[in-house]
Amino acid sequence: NAGVMQNPRHLVRRRGQEARLRCSPMKGHSHVYWYRQLPEEGLKFMVYLQKENIIDESGMPKERFSAEFPKEGPSILRIQQVVRGDSAAYFCASSPEVQNTEAFFGQGTRLTVV
Amino acid sequence: GQNIDQPTEMTATEGAIVQINCTYQTSGFNGLFWYQQHAGEAPTFLSYNVLDGLEEKGRFSSFLSRSKGYSYLLLKELQMKDSASYLCAVLDSNYQLIWGAGTKLIIKP
Repeated sequence: NAGVMQNPRHLVRRRGQEARLRCSPMKGHSHVYWYRQLPEEGLKFMVYLQKENIIDESGMPKERFSAEFPKEGPSILRIQQVVRGDSAAYFCASSPEVQNTEAFFGQGTRLTVV
Repeated sequence: GQNIDQPTEMTATEGAIVQINCTYQTSGFNGLFWYQQHAGEAPTFLSYNVLDGLEEKGRFSSFLSRSKGYSYLLLKELQMKDSASYLCAVLDSNYQLIWGAGTKLIIKP
């Protein structure tokens, strides 16, 4: 049973380009969470999705950021027109139907905007 | 607002014991998690407490007092590999995980 898979592990983008981060949850998990972590800081919640639904996007910037979790395929976090301040590690976590259990994290995508 | 407080950094000696505290103020409570995160890696699950008291798991133990909004993670017989950040997270009334900023633990020989 593969764990949470994120790709790419490292992503370099120039200012103004688009960044697409992918997350495949663990088998049987239908809840996906995206977090951002700046160097030396804690995890900041961005968005919580279930299949085809955004449940809570209160942590996501209103502009340039979007997320989806389609019926088929991985969850995608999309950042348009990236700026230097978007440089961070983006972690995805998944959990099964019962929400009050541990969340399993992917290895993260480290985005560097140059 | 919701708030999780942990010390920013702690230092301990190899072989010793260290206690990392976490206090929380959240809208509702459905359990408290401790995660370990080595630099550049993903957080990994350590413990989950939903009832008051001490949960022991090998060298690591976690304690919870819901009335005080307080938890601690106790690490015994410290090893160099325990150098990492330790993250406290609370599951609120909406089953949303609220994260502390983490405590960086430095182990010295």
